[in-house]
Amino acid sequence: QKEVEQDPGPLSVPEGAIVSLNCTYSNSAFQYFMWYRQYSRKGPELLMYTYSSGNKEDGRFTAQVDKSSKYISLFIRDSQPSDSATYLCAMSAEIQGAQKLVFGQGTRLTINP
Amino acid sequence: DTGVSQNPRHKITKRGQNVTFRCDPISEHNRLYWYRQTLGQGPEFLTYFQNEAQLEKSRLLSDRFSAERPKGSFSTLEIQRTEQGDSAMYLCASSLGFWRETQYFGPGTRLLVL
Repeated sequence: QKEVEQDPGPLSVPEGAIVSLNCTYSNSAFQYFMWYRQYSRKGPELLMYTYSSGNKEDGRFTAQVDKSSKYISLFIRDSQPSDSATYLCAMSAEIQGAQKLVFGQGTRLTINP
Repeated sequence: DTGVSQNPRHKITKRGQNVTFRCDPISEHNRLYWYRQTLGQGPEFLTYFQNEAQLEKSRLLSDRFSAERPKGSFSTLEIQRTEQGDSAMYLCASSLGFWRETQYFGPGTRLLVL
């Protein structure tokens, strides 16, 4: 069993819809939770960064962390065609001050105009 | 452009050949990470440097792989005697090295071993 599980999709929704992306994890030592966006043939780009449980909002994006359930989510409101990309959840436990990220498989999202 | 840069962006090689990739991190970033990403999967950690010191290596990093960061600035990742299973995107990331740091990724080097 992988440490981080993410539904690979693909997920296709109409423009303007609310998108929900999720990951579950098994390592209770994870403290830092991130969402990256990756366009085709590009490197991952950091979208959201949260520490411990709770919600964090940034524009149309909201990240939620529920450590008791080992479950994290990313919500995208008013989705746009430019949001079409692969979304990767990532998490880490601080080891000697460094963060070795453990990624989910990635969910491929398409927003249809 | 002050982001992480990687060269080459693409590399095609024959099985058994050696290849070397270069990563230039964001200026003043102390930590440098290497990840590998295969098609349809998320990146997997390979190794990381704190300045010039290589502090951790993943089990994924076989003896054919070696990484260096000689002056604490750019880093190289060399694969000797490449195998078809080495075909992947090799990603470099850097960070300042503080608590709750953010890793910034480069565009990656896509390797194809024929």
